[in-house]
Amino acid sequence: NAGVTQTPKFRVLKTGQSMTLLCAQDMNHEYMYWYRQDPGMGLRLIHYSVGEGTTAKGEVPDGYNVSRLKKQNFLLGLESAAPSQTSVYFCASSPGYSAGIQETQYFGPGTRLLVL
Amino acid sequence: KQEVTQIPAALSVPEGENLVLNCSFTDSAIYNLQWFRQDPGKGLTSLLLIQSSQREQTSGRLNASLDKSSGRSTLYIAASQPGDSATYLCAAPYSGGGADGLTFGKGTHLIIQP
Repeated sequence: NAGVTQTPKFRVLKTGQSMTLLCAQDMNHEYMYWYRQDPGMGLRLIHYSVGEGTTAKGEVPDGYNVSRLKKQNFLLGLESAAPSQTSVYFCASSPGYSAGIQETQYFGPGTRLLVL
Repeated sequence: KQEVTQIPAALSVPEGENLVLNCSFTDSAIYNLQWFRQDPGKGLTSLLLIQSSQREQTSGRLNASLDKSSGRSTLYIAASQPGDSATYLCAAPYSGGGADGLTFGKGTHLIIQP
């Protein structure tokens, strides 16, 4: 049981390049999330998904797109990277609700992205 | 919009001391509040999740309390150890409830001196 895994661990991009970050979970969780963490800003929600085939915008969605074609995977895409997207990106998953109570989120190890 | 504030931003104490980390949130219509731990260069690990119907939650040497009416939560760490050194993050539901992610505080960076 690997939990939540993220690929790649580190990446350097040039301004304008595109890339996709992959998040995978093997816990059969319904809900998945993408956050970014910046010094002095804390973690901020980018996009989230409440089930296969669904996505929704979070607090800072501009410049990113997401897809959830399979329940276990949540992809975060940068179509044209900008230096402002230099950050550490965290993926998380959650079972959602159990007996009406919201469950906690399980986080991946993060992807460090540097945009030059 | 939910906003979460953590005080202090950093704390350094000798081993063995009991300590309290503070968290405040602006939208009291929350279903729960969570505390996480983050080690340098690592992801987040859930420590405690307090449901809105609860006043506190305990796990080992950790105790978290929740006061929705005042918009405050505290994390109490008893008999601190060097291994407790990490950043502690408080998080509330992004828009008051549901599965729409979390709003995090900026964290308290804790150092326990041996």
